[in-house]
Amino acid sequence: EIVMTQSPATLSVSPGERATLSCRASQSVSSNLAWYQQKPGQAPRLLIYGASTRATGIPARFSGSGSGTEFTLTISSLQSEDFAVYYCQQYNNWPVHYTFGQGTKLEIK
Amino acid sequence: EVQLVESGGGLVKPGGSLRLSCAASGFTFSSYSMNWVRQAPGKGLEWVSSISSSSSYIYYADSVKGRFTISRDNAKNSLYLQMNSLRAEDTAVYYCARGRVGAHSPDFDYWGQGTLVTVSS
Repeated sequence: EIVMTQSPATLSVSPGERATLSCRASQSVSSNLAWYQQKPGQAPRLLIYGASTRATGIPARFSGSGSGTEFTLTISSLQSEDFAVYYCQQYNNWPVHYTFGQGTKLEIK
Repeated sequence: EVQLVESGGGLVKPGGSLRLSCAASGFTFSSYSMNWVRQAPGKGLEWVSSISSSSSYIYYADSVKGRFTISRDNAKNSLYLQMNSLRAEDTAVYYCARGRVGAHSPDFDYWGQGTLVTVSS
């Protein structure tokens, strides 16, 4: 089973600054990597798929990069509504299996 | 507007059973794969099961294989999860999520608000 490891566990950033979140896979997942945002009491929301494509309606300040085993989610200028928990997720097509990282909590500094 | 509404959660004793439902609207349900993802209290997300648009392909996480059964009724725009032999570690919010694209979508673009399952004596 592919293990996804996110770092850091908690990231403290001031509004207006840039945030960089990392996700590492235990083996290559090609570009089958997605990022989700989850706020307290809410369902996750898809931000990025295919490692770098923004989902419908996602602001341009969110960007994803990487392939293989190393991935990054960058939020260029943090807004108040961006403080949340972020999860990466990989897809393995044989056997079909999905794995989430343990999450990075982005908090206000 | 895409909507996914889960129901059927509640309190059940260890070893018991529960059936979750997910009512879909706002899209052509029969064209999309569907999934269940759960989240234990205060914990991260865990994929549970997936079913292709025509029910031809079904997959489970090892943690639920042999105990849970996913199904769908395209005529009723509904997704189901039959959960048997429930354990304390199955306690979680269960989310219904739509596969974004293809028979086995690599990610999930719409999620319901979840239904809480608590397994306790």
